[in-house]
Amino acid sequence: AQTVTQSQPEMSVQEAETVTLSCTYDTSENNYYLFWYKQPPSRQMILVIRQEAYKQQNATENRFSVNFQKAAKSFSLKISDSQLGDTAMYFCAFIPVQGAQKLVFGQGTRLTINP
Amino acid sequence: GAGVSQSPSNKVTEKGKDVELRCDPISGHTALYWYRQRLGQGLEFLIYFQGNSAPDKSGLPSDRFSAERTGESVSTLTIQRTQQEDSAVYLCASSLIVGLNTEAFFGQGTRLTVV
Repeated sequence: AQTVTQSQPEMSVQEAETVTLSCTYDTSENNYYLFWYKQPPSRQMILVIRQEAYKQQNATENRFSVNFQKAAKSFSLKISDSQLGDTAMYFCAFIPVQGAQKLVFGQGTRLTINP
Repeated sequence: GAGVSQSPSNKVTEKGKDVELRCDPISGHTALYWYRQRLGQGLEFLIYFQGNSAPDKSGLPSDRFSAERTGESVSTLTIQRTQQEDSAVYLCASSLIVGLNTEAFFGQGTRLTVV
């Protein structure tokens, strides 16, 4: 069974700083997708960024980028120039391309951006 | 509709009563998930529907919980004889299972309070 682990329950940084959220996963699959979701206090889950396992190039979306290390099964999220609006719960998620295609989420990291 | 719709958005019920939560997925989305999220916690997988396949019920916490989905449309999550520990936000998500289109779109959730 696939598992996703986020080892940082909470993090806090100052506005404009860079912050990295960790995520590791366990799977025997070779092809899969990885996602980072953001859940602000409004409760609405929003997709931040996605990565295809067969692509070596790390995905980037404006201030958000990932460091995907397939051999290490690591998928960290870097937020550059953090903003107050980045305050939220962040969830890492995994889904295999084949087999039981079910999204598996980590337990989340609560990120607070301080003014 | 444009997104995943859940109703009601809030529900307060007395202990021991049955409740029914509704999820309208995005039209055409074959996969549908239910998650439970306790205050400040991560996403707890409950059940997963994928097309006409048998649902994955492995996350249902007890036989008081059940869910149905008719085809690729509406799903209902039923909790019988509610307990205070059932108090949480119940999130529904839907997705296509086609390549990169495995992104899950979430509803705003139903906040259930058992008093």
